[in-house]
Amino acid sequence: SQQGEEDPQALSIQEGENATMNCSYKTSINNLQWYRQNSGRGLVHLILIRSNEREKHSGRLRVTLDTSKKSSSLLITASRAADTASYFCATDYNAGNMLTFGGGTRLMVKP
Amino acid sequence: DAGVIQSPRHEVTEMGQEVTLRCKPISGHDYLFWYRQTMMRGLELLIYFNNNVPIDDSGMPEDRFSAKMPNASFSTLKIQPSEPRDSAVYFCASRRTSYNEQFFGPGTRLTVL
Repeated sequence: SQQGEEDPQALSIQEGENATMNCSYKTSINNLQWYRQNSGRGLVHLILIRSNEREKHSGRLRVTLDTSKKSSSLLITASRAADTASYFCATDYNAGNMLTFGGGTRLMVKP
Repeated sequence: DAGVIQSPRHEVTEMGQEVTLRCKPISGHDYLFWYRQTMMRGLELLIYFNNNVPIDDSGMPEDRFSAKMPNASFSTLKIQPSEPRDSAVYFCASRRTSYNEQFFGPGTRLTVL
């Protein structure tokens, strides 16, 4: 399976701190996406970074992509309790038709 | 738009029974995906459709699983007969051709006793 791997598996921080999650993958990709899943809910798309991009921002989110190392990171700045969720990276090998998800990082932000 | 709709939200059944999960994609989306999520295996793609046609079903675990999409607004995932190891959360997602983002439904939590 060409699955991405997230690191760490779990992360606990205080409100206001930054949270960084990493994702590694195995083969060349078209793009990499990050999704959030709140407990008992479906996944929600956060941000997409294409293989020819190195960094992308969306609000408090910052994503980097290093294709030479086959890795990506998601940074959430000034975290809030509402950011508590699981975060998944998904690698796109086939123009968006088949996403391969990693195991996720469970983030807990303590108020 | 109501988003992707799945039913039922919870299903508890006994081993050997037939289970049918339903999905209504977002109107105008021409791709539909079925995923399964478990603690052990994470989120796995089972099958996806494009314009109601199954394109890749390599993720379907075995012949007990089947999926159909009779029209653009409805899809089913059927398990017959069900087994305890099929217990999982099953998600349906859809997307439009011009966008890579997938929109997920709330999921169906299946428990097979």
